[in-house]
Amino acid sequence: GAVVSQHPSWVICKSGTSVKIECRSLDFQATTMFWYRQFPKQSLMLMATSNEGSKATHEQGVEKDKFLINHASLTLSTLTVTSAHPEDSSFYICSARGTGGHNEQFFGPGTRLTVL
Amino acid sequence: DQQVKQNSPSLSVQEGRISILNCDYTNSMFDYFLWYKKYPAEGPTFLISISSIKDKNEDGRFTVFLNKSAKHLSLHIVPSQPGDSAVYFCAASWGFGNEKLTFGTGTRLTIIP
Repeated sequence: GAVVSQHPSWVICKSGTSVKIECRSLDFQATTMFWYRQFPKQSLMLMATSNEGSKATHEQGVEKDKFLINHASLTLSTLTVTSAHPEDSSFYICSARGTGGHNEQFFGPGTRLTVL
Repeated sequence: DQQVKQNSPSLSVQEGRISILNCDYTNSMFDYFLWYKKYPAEGPTFLISISSIKDKNEDGRFTVFLNKSAKHLSLHIVPSQPGDSAVYFCAASWGFGNEKLTFGTGTRLTIIP
């Protein structure tokens, strides 16, 4: 149980294009999902908290108009990187809060984004 | 400002021995701590957690110790197995209902057969 999937697992795009990443909780409902970014050899940095049916909360320094988040259902959240640039190249990971322990989050496998 | 720190970027341990991974934090508001294991190009997998009201939590081969006065926690893995080779992240949060996790920088554990 508590499986989170992400699609695509990797994507290469041209600078200036937009990329959408999907995060799904496969066997549980997640009212809250989180989006993280990880640069090589660095920690996971929380980008935004996504709540079903309401606006996402972006962390300080994360542009909400550049990193669009939609949480339209209890099992799906999407992150759209708009007008991507090479500096947006990173490993993007989503997580969903399970119904088990306090603050236990289940993570997706991640999406490797490369912007040329 | 790195509120959760893992000062050892890497650690090598002989198979069968004990692995001890350390984590320090600066924010005294943190009251819940978690350890995650991560393989390359995969998302982190939850291992074990501990609330600030406890100083020890055990689950099979994994034990987490919390020293609140020192703002320090550690993860003990015994006996260490080759499959334990991965990057381990500690994470912290505070406040009931506050689900945001602050992650450390990770420690790469290598188990030597």
